[in-house]
Amino acid sequence: LAKTTQPISMDSYEGQEVNITCSHNNIATNDYITWYQQFPSQGPRFIIQGYKTKVTNEVASLFIPADRKSSTLSLPRVSLSDTAVYYCLVVEVPSQNTDKLIFGTGTRLQVFP
Amino acid sequence: SAVISQKPSRDICQRGTSLTIQCQVDSQVTMMFWYRQQPGQSLTLIATANQGSEATYESGFVIDKFPISRPNLTFSTLTVSNMSPEDSSIYLCSVVTGVRGYTFGSGTRLTVV
Repeated sequence: LAKTTQPISMDSYEGQEVNITCSHNNIATNDYITWYQQFPSQGPRFIIQGYKTKVTNEVASLFIPADRKSSTLSLPRVSLSDTAVYYCLVVEVPSQNTDKLIFGTGTRLQVFP
Repeated sequence: SAVISQKPSRDICQRGTSLTIQCQVDSQVTMMFWYRQQPGQSLTLIATANQGSEATYESGFVIDKFPISRPNLTFSTLTVSNMSPEDSSIYLCSVVTGVRGYTFGSGTRLTVV
């Protein structure tokens, strides 16, 4: 499983765009990049997933360069409620949904008013 | 996505005793995963539970300490045996739900005194 590296913490202010970059130098050809969000006293929640280029949903965008050795989670116009820990994970293609998620340290995002 | 009910949500236990945590899913799933999250830390995978077979444990975790049951496709239990204060953590179960996404329970906050 490819190891991921991301900043331990980030600070932002309400209304700003936040970009969290994750390194995964040993990503394999069939690996996907997945991001999860965790609020205090809750389990992680799936945010977004991608394989290459750009993926966007109602919550965030994920940018993956051609070499796929890194990825950037972009949160547009953050609010106080976006204060959470964000985890970048690399997920292997399963044969029958037998992936296991291996969590790195995560990035603790603090949004200030 | 699946809905997970995890019980108990929290407990305070005496050292030397055991606690069984239950995880109920509202749909049938092949794999269920158990994680531990120590205070202020990331999630660590304990084991993968497949219905009808022995659980597969990650390095550092053994069946005698964390026995797991998986009697059917919607239910699993994790027992924390012969507890010590070092076992104080949040324990979470997780299942695969949809394309590459995982759903987590809200966790069981265990304090051993």
